[in-house]
Amino acid sequence: ELKVEQNPLFLSMQEGKNYTIYCNYSTTSDRLYWYRQDPGKSLESLFVLLSNGAVKQEGRLMASLDTKARLSTLHITAAVHDLSATYFCAVEGNLIFGKGTKLSVKP
Amino acid sequence: SQTIHQWPATLVQPVGSPLSLECTVEGTSNPNLYWYRQAAGRGLQLLFYSVGIGQISSEVPQNLSASRPQDRQFILSSKKLLLSDSGFYLCAGIHGGEQYFGPGTRLTVT
Repeated sequence: ELKVEQNPLFLSMQEGKNYTIYCNYSTTSDRLYWYRQDPGKSLESLFVLLSNGAVKQEGRLMASLDTKARLSTLHITAAVHDLSATYFCAVEGNLIFGKGTKLSVKP
Repeated sequence: SQTIHQWPATLVQPVGSPLSLECTVEGTSNPNLYWYRQAAGRGLQLLFYSVGIGQISSEVPQNLSASRPQDRQFILSSKKLLLSDSGFYLCAGIHGGEQYFGPGTRLTVT
């Protein structure tokens, strides 16, 4: 059974600080996805990581994938309030999601 | 571009009433389709997925069912709703490595 674990589940950051969200999964997978969800809204796709060593960056967010370690990271650089949201990773197979990381960026 | 439509956007139903939520896909053919439920403040629970017409796999045995009568149509149903069925229902699709979500249906069972 494929399991996806994210940590931390809650993250309170100060603006301008850096932090990393981790996503571990239990079996091999072709693709890993990162999503953002604002309260009451659907999911917004952030990144699709397709191979070992893949790194993608968009603004203050950077995602990477290590398929050997079955680990993906979402790194936040110089956080701003607008990044406050819940972030999910998901692994294809049956598109199984982690529990999400609720990020709160405070001034 | 690919788009997923869901309706209704919100729904309030009494316990014991039936349910039908519809998801339709635009802009692609033969996608893998998924139904998720998200309880308030929680993660996404995979309910059903489908790799083609008439092919449904259930991840969580409960009072819900799903059907895929057409390639681009995915329906979530229940004969009798429970209070615990309240939540945010999301339809998702994957095709050719691209994935996308519908806007969701917020269901409140009273």
